[in-house]
Amino acid sequence: EVQLVQSGAEVKKPGESLEISCKGSGYSFSSYWIGWVRQMPGKGLEWMGIIYPGDSDTKYSPSFEGQVTISADKSITTAYLQWSSLKASDTAVYYCARYVAGILPVSVTHDYGMDVWGQGTTVTVTS
Amino acid sequence: QSALTQPASVSGSPGQSITISCTGTSSDVGNYKFVSWYQQHPGKAPKLMIYEVTKRPSGVSNRFSGSTSGNTASLTISGLQAEDEADYYCCSYAGSNSLWVFGGGTKLTVL
Repeated sequence: EVQLVQSGAEVKKPGESLEISCKGSGYSFSSYWIGWVRQMPGKGLEWMGIIYPGDSDTKYSPSFEGQVTISADKSITTAYLQWSSLKASDTAVYYCARYVAGILPVSVTHDYGMDVWGQGTTVTVTS
Repeated sequence: QSALTQPASVSGSPGQSITISCTGTSSDVGNYKFVSWYQQHPGKAPKLMIYEVTKRPSGVSNRFSGSTSGNTASLTISGLQAEDEADYYCCSYAGSNSLWVFGGGTKLTVL
């Protein structure tokens, strides 16, 4: 079974650092993009960025560039989302998802969507 | 980049058909055939319902269909069922700078 399992809920203080994880299983982890999506409380989905674990090629939405770091370790089939200094406005549920797409440097050849999702990680930032 | 524009809510009775619109620009929906739709029930992860405008993943009911016209994509659900009550989000590729962008979401109520 293809699965993405995310790390557990986190409660942090403003200014602290944090890394959450997303472990893939049941498929060739290196061969599919992994995307991250934010959902703030009571709000809609926001596309954050993607990474190709095979070569760690990473692309960020302009809204999230410089705010978070996306990484992956293909040897343990795990992707990460990292903050160096959290803000209260980072409070949200974060989802990872397998992205089936052909993404080239300046074009996309196909986009079969985010077909497998993690269960979500709730991050609460409060003083 | 701006989110795609969706109606905040739509409703329909069981058995009826409804359509949810997703309005973008010539830089996203109007320029690429890379529009997908996601269903999200409360407290759950989203589920892929439509990709590349019109295609359904394996296991998704054929009551769900997608289309585009100009800068607007649409999701149609026919034969509404109680289990269709959920939030629905469109998502479009918007070029190599903006990458992908979601719509604001539409709450579907089955009366």
